[in-house]
Amino acid sequence: AAGVIQSPRHLIKEKRETATLKCYPIPRHDTVYWYQQGPGQDPQFLISFYEKMQSDKGSIPDRFSAQQFSDYHSELNMSSLELGDSALYFCASSLIWGVSNTGELFFGEGSRLTVL
Amino acid sequence: QKEVEQDPGPLSVPEGAIVSLNCTYSNSAFQYFMWYRQYSRKGPELLMYTYSSGNKEDGRFTAQVDKSSKYISLFIRDSQPSDSATYLCAMSSSNTGKLIFGQGTTLQVKP
Repeated sequence: AAGVIQSPRHLIKEKRETATLKCYPIPRHDTVYWYQQGPGQDPQFLISFYEKMQSDKGSIPDRFSAQQFSDYHSELNMSSLELGDSALYFCASSLIWGVSNTGELFFGEGSRLTVL
Repeated sequence: QKEVEQDPGPLSVPEGAIVSLNCTYSNSAFQYFMWYRQYSRKGPELLMYTYSSGNKEDGRFTAQVDKSSKYISLFIRDSQPSDSATYLCAMSSSNTGKLIFGQGTTLQVKP
C-alpha cells in the first residue's frame, strides 16, 4: 500500500541558508501534519493543513512556512537556518479532518536536516 | 514541566518477558491516547489507540488509560526481539491530529 512519501530523505545545509522539504500524503488523504524531532527528543507538532488551508499551528518558528497544494502535497520552507534546526522532520497524513476513527496518523520516514 | 512525562529508559528485558511502559500527563483535557512504535531512522507507527478511559487489547499488546490518575500504560506480553524499538506515548485533547508526545522509551528485547 502507498505510504507517505517525503523528500529529500537527507539534506545538509549551511547556517543562514534555506531548505525546502516535500511531503506527498497517502492518496485520498486530505490532512497533512508536520512534526519536528530533535536528537533524542519527542516529535513536536509544527503545523497542519486540511483541504489546502492551514488548520492548526504549533511551535513553528516564524522563519518557517508551509503550504498544501491542490494535489494535496505539502512543502515546508525553512529560511535563515540555524544549528538548532538540525532535526528529523516528519510529515503525517490522515484520511479525514483530524484523527480518524482508528486514531491513526500515517507518518512518513522523515527528512533528516543537518545544519552546519 | 512537560505536559507528558515518559521514562526514556533504556529498558532491557529477556525474550518472553512482559513489558510495562508508562506515561503520566498533566493536562486533564486529553481525551485521545495513543502508543506509537518507532524503529531507528523510521517514522512512528501506531500500535494502540484509546479514547477516554479503559483498556484495549490487540494481540500481545494491551493499552490502559486511567484518567483519574492521569496515567497510561502499554503492556507487551511474550516480548520478542523484533519488539526492540522506541515506544512513544501520544495524546490529544481533540481529534485534530495535534499530538503531544512523550519522550519515548527505548526497549531492547534480548534473545
